[in-house]
Amino acid sequence: EAGVTQFPSHSVIEKGQTVTLRCDPISGHDNLYWYRRVMGKEIKFLLHFVKESKQDESGMPNNRFLAERTGGTYSTLKVQPAELEDSGVYFCASSPQTKGYNEQFFGPGTRLTVL
Amino acid sequence: AQSVSQHNHHVILSEAASLELGCNYSYGGTVNLFWYVQYPGQHLQLLLKYFSGDPLVKGIKGFEAEFIKSKFSFNLRKPSVQWSDTAEYFCAVNAGYGGSQGNLIFGKGTKLSVKP
Repeated sequence: EAGVTQFPSHSVIEKGQTVTLRCDPISGHDNLYWYRRVMGKEIKFLLHFVKESKQDESGMPNNRFLAERTGGTYSTLKVQPAELEDSGVYFCASSPQTKGYNEQFFGPGTRLTVL
Repeated sequence: AQSVSQHNHHVILSEAASLELGCNYSYGGTVNLFWYVQYPGQHLQLLLKYFSGDPLVKGIKGFEAEFIKSKFSFNLRKPSVQWSDTAEYFCAVNAGYGGSQGNLIFGKGTKLSVKP
């Protein structure tokens, strides 16, 4: 079974440009999460999808960030326009929507560098 | 706001030494507790978890953690580390709206370097 995949693995852009990150969850997982780790800091929650609906987007830093999950499958996270402080590693995780605890499976992350 | 503190940023041990990584959380309600590990070049993966019951939890690769409610702690231990344990370790709490479906709150991570 394929794990969570993320694309690209690394992106280097200039301040003011737009970048779109993609996450493909494990097939059949309804829950999809985005997290971010800024260098030297903790991994922080950004938002949570259940299928195509945003369940919790309390961690989104500002309106330059837009996440979508059309059709409840893969998700994209767009940063427009990118700022220097957006640099970091963006992780995606997925879990099944079943009763009780469901382990979150993480992808390898996308390292975003904004110059 | 809920938070997780990991006491050590970088720990360096020799093989066969014992390991204890500290983790404290701040949340007054019921919590689920986790330790994740990220080996060099690999994904974050779950090492062990605590939901309820026996506060001493055993995980993969000989790791264990003890939940002490009165101290809001969930320290990770291993009696004898190996070079292959070199990795970054993250303590996390799940105390969101959705119980077990909610987001994770992570500590800053502890890098463990084991010298052969």
